[in-house]
Amino acid sequence: NAGVIQTPRHKVTGKGQEATLWCEPISGHSAVFWYRQTIVQGLEFLTYFRNQAPIDDSGMPKERFSAQMPNQSHSTLKIQSTQPQDSAVYLCASSFTGENTLYFGAGTRLSVL
Amino acid sequence: QQQVRQSSQSLTVWEGETAILNCSYENSAFDYFPWYQQFPGEGPALLIAIRSVSDKKEDGRFTIFFNKREKNLSLHIKDSQPGDSATYFCAASYSNNRIFFGDGTQLVVKP
Repeated sequence: NAGVIQTPRHKVTGKGQEATLWCEPISGHSAVFWYRQTIVQGLEFLTYFRNQAPIDDSGMPKERFSAQMPNQSHSTLKIQSTQPQDSAVYLCASSFTGENTLYFGAGTRLSVL
Repeated sequence: QQQVRQSSQSLTVWEGETAILNCSYENSAFDYFPWYQQFPGEGPALLIAIRSVSDKKEDGRFTIFFNKREKNLSLHIKDSQPGDSATYFCAASYSNNRIFFGDGTQLVVKP
């Protein structure tokens, strides 16, 4: 079991460009979570899916951020018109339904210049 | 409103000492309290967890003490080792809902 796989590990974008981050959850896990981590804000919840359906996106910035889970094997987080304040490590995690344990990927470090 | 609070941003102890990391929470409905450990360049990983029906959970050198009435808990790391140097996140959840994380405590264990 390779664990949660996030790609790319590092992404550099220019201000105003689009960034798409990918997450492959652990096979058999039905819940997928996205978090953003910065020194200042810590671990911020963004959104999560259960059985591919969006359950709670209360942490997503209302503009420019969107997340999808088109199938059970991957989820994407898209940031349009990236801004320097979007620079962070974006973490994806998955879990079994009915369990509280989150298994995190290593994250994607996004740098917006 | 911060649902889970960790009292220290950072903590330094000497090798062999017991490190104590403190945490408090707001929502009385929380019934599951995991601690996650994160090393640089990695995602957080579950270290140890306790349910609100218990007041203590031990796993090797790691022990959680839980006080439901006071709505706080602590993680004790006995005989701290330099390899324990990491960021520790206290978290809470209820009824299989999303997990709320504290801001983390960066532990440094000096040899």
